Formats: sequence, structure tokens, C-alpha cells
Amino acid sequence: AAGVIQSPRHLIKEKRETATLKCYPIPRHDTVYWYQQGPGQDPQFLISFYEKMQSDKGSIPDRFSAQQFSDYHSELNMSSLELGDSALYFCASSSSRDYTEAFFGQGTRLTVV
Amino acid sequence: AQKVTQAQTEISVVEKEDVTLDCVYETRDTTYYLFWYKQPPSGELVFLIRRNSFDEQNEISGRYSWNFQKSTSSFNFTITASQVVDSAVYFCALSRMVTDSWGKFQFGAGTQVVVTP
Repeated sequence: AAGVIQSPRHLIKEKRETATLKCYPIPRHDTVYWYQQGPGQDPQFLISFYEKMQSDKGSIPDRFSAQQFSDYHSELNMSSLELGDSALYFCASSSSRDYTEAFFGQGTRLTVV
Repeated sequence: AQKVTQAQTEISVVEKEDVTLDCVYETRDTTYYLFWYKQPPSGELVFLIRRNSFDEQNEISGRYSWNFQKSTSSFNFTITASQVVDSAVYFCALSRMVTDSWGKFQFGAGTQVVVTP
């Protein structure tokens, strides 16, 4: 069965650079969620989209933005990267039409040097 | 506001011992979902179990079992006859039973389980 696809899996960027993370939800899933997990921390909710509209927002820095496109994939854009942005970024997707648990992607490990 | 507390930071056991992970939650919602996820060293989040708030029946699935007690807001998880491959961080999580919030989790801080041969 198709799963949530995140790309890239690993990314190394320098301070002040920009990074774009991509998330491809499970087919027919209309809701996407982004999480950030720092070293030794639990995943923290950043932002979510339902039917291409932002549905909820957590502790997402102003330097980050995200959107969901017409094909339901989502991108998280991170600018002016800081060392503290080094983390594992997860995307999850779910369907509003029939409840199943939200499925997580394998994550993107971002390292800022 | 929702809150999930996992008081155990790390549990070390010898293979074949049972491991019980504690989870206490707070929510103002009357209906909600509770989860356990496993995060091995490779980093991915592996779904283990889900319970909804109106089903307090406790079950066993293979070596996993759980004890959900709404009266004490606890959702404990047990691994029976632990194996080295069970070594991972285990997260308890809570989500609202609302259409566009099913995947918005409040995670606990996690419990590191170390199983030695």
C-alpha cells in the first residue's frame, strides 16, 4: 500500500540558507500535518492543511511557511535557517471522509551547519 | 489544552522481562483518541495502537497489551517478553476526535526502552 512520501530524506544546509521539504500524502488523503522533532524531544505540531487551506497552526516560526497544492502534496519552506532548526521533520496525512489513524512519513532529517 | 505526561524517562530491562510504560493525559474533550507510537533509532514513527475514549476495553495484540482507564486518565502500555528489537523510544499521544484534527497529536515526552540480551 502507498505510504506518505517525504523528500528529501536527508538535507544539509548552511546557516541563513533556505530549505524546502516536500510531503506526498497517501492517495485520497486530504489533510496534511507537519511536525518538528528536535534531538531528544517529542514531535511538535507545526501546521496543518485541509483541502488546500491552512486548518491549524502550532509553534511554527515566522521564518517557516507551508502550503498544500491542488494535488494535495505539501511543502514546508524554511528560510534564514538557524542551527536550532536542525531536527527531524515529519509529515502525516489523514482522510476526513473516513477515519483512519494519521499515517506518518519517514521524516526528513535537516542538519544546519 | 491537551497534555500528555510520560513520567518514565528511561526503562532498562533484560530480554524476556515485561515492560510497562505509563501515560497520563489531560483533555477537556469528552471524546478523543489515544495512541502509542514507537520510534526506533532509525527515526521513523511506527504506529502501535489506537483507542478511542468511549472504548475502555483492554486488549492484547501479540506481545503488546494496554490498560485504558478513563477514570484516572491513564493509558498504560505493556510489552510482554521483551526483545532486543523492542529497544526504542515510545511515545504516548492524544488527538481530538474532530475531522481535521485527527492527525494533530499532543505527544508525551517519550520513554526510552533499553532491552539488553
